[in-house]
Amino acid sequence: DAGVIQSPRHEVTEMGQEVTLRCKLISGHNSLFWYRQTMMRGLELLIYFNNNVPIDDSGMPEDRFSAKMPNASFSTLKIQPSEPRDSAVYFCASSSGQGTGANVLTFGAGSRLTVL
Amino acid sequence: GQQVMQIPQYQHVQEGEDFTTYCNSSTTLSNIQWYKQRPGGHPVFLIQLVKSGEVKKQKRLTFQFGEAKKNSSLHITATQTTDVGTYFCAGYNFNKFYFGSGTKLNVKP
Repeated sequence: DAGVIQSPRHEVTEMGQEVTLRCKLISGHNSLFWYRQTMMRGLELLIYFNNNVPIDDSGMPEDRFSAKMPNASFSTLKIQPSEPRDSAVYFCASSSGQGTGANVLTFGAGSRLTVL
Repeated sequence: GQQVMQIPQYQHVQEGEDFTTYCNSSTTLSNIQWYKQRPGGHPVFLIQLVKSGEVKKQKRLTFQFGEAKKNSSLHITATQTTDVGTYFCAGYNFNKFYFGSGTKLNVKP
């Protein structure tokens, strides 16, 4: 199993540009979580999906952020327009509701975003 | 809302010394999980505790879950430089994970 795969691993962009982060879940996992990590605020949950449906998006900072899960294995997190304060490491994590390792998070390697 | 507090924020130890980090939840948890994040890496699952009063060991690591299922601790005996990283607890309820702020462990050789 390839694990949770995120892309890009690093992105440097200018303020105002659109940023799209991508995540491929582990096969068989049905829950997907997007987290943001900064030194100041630690790990923050942005949004999570269960069976492709957004369940809780209360952590999404503002309307500039949007997330989609077009199918059971793939998700995107979009920031438009990006701002310097969006600079952070964005992690995607998935979990399964049953079987071995149920309700345990497997994180991707993260996408480090720098907005200049 | 539900919160999980974790202390200390930082811990610097000499190699061979012991280390403990503590988590406390504002509400009762279904289970608690521990994750380790190496510098520059991503959180990696270590263990899950489910039962009240549960104690689990992984080599030099001992994990405890409180009787009321609201607090937990991770104790490392005789730290090694490979233990360096940030240790997070995560309380679990209703398909949501409530992460503590993490304890950053530095081990001096």
